[in-house]
Amino acid sequence: GNSVTQMEGPVTLSEEAFLTINCTYTATGYPSLFWYVQYPGEGLQLLLKATKADDKGSNKGFEATYRKETTSFHLEKGSVQVSDSAVYFCALSDFTRNAGNMLTFGGGTRLMVKP
Amino acid sequence: DVKVTQSSRYLVKRTGEKVFLECVQDMDHENMFWYRQDPGLGLRLIYFSYDVKMKEKGDIPEGYSVSREKKERFSLILESASTNQTSMYLCASRGSVEAFFGQGTRLTVV
Repeated sequence: GNSVTQMEGPVTLSEEAFLTINCTYTATGYPSLFWYVQYPGEGLQLLLKATKADDKGSNKGFEATYRKETTSFHLEKGSVQVSDSAVYFCALSDFTRNAGNMLTFGGGTRLMVKP
Repeated sequence: DVKVTQSSRYLVKRTGEKVFLECVQDMDHENMFWYRQDPGLGLRLIYFSYDVKMKEKGDIPEGYSVSREKKERFSLILESASTNQTSMYLCASRGSVEAFFGQGTRLTVV
């Protein structure tokens, strides 16, 4: 079946450091890929998405490129801020079930940014 | 602005009680989902619905049921709450691409 693997956290960085959170996937067909962010005590918010190979999703200084050859969708940001502290989830579309429109999530990576 | 609203942010219930968690979306989405989130276990799918009155089991349906009588509303039901159902519950709806989540309900069963 489909699966998403992302690096375990927590990832601890100083403010203005470069961020990479790795995400790799296993899927049949051509899934869409997503990064979601969850701030403390909140639900998940869509951060960015890419719907086909070589697409780059970007938002709020975060970027991720859909790499079909390496089945990866790594999240990057050039200069993190304390306000970026959150849990980040990588996800893909899953159309293997009857209803389609499923999302498969990675386990989440907690990011802590220190001043 | 799209919105998925869960009826409660925090709930405390007693063991054996019947518990209803409500979720409403205003995007006319056909697909709605209930997840639970626990430390170290990520998000686990409980049930989903792809149309009114239609439902399918997710990965951990035991101890739960759902109801989808109207397109905009998807309810999660704990028939007899137990302490191992203490968790954060997240509702989501999805159209053609991304899913939108509610703010979550933190349920404590005592």
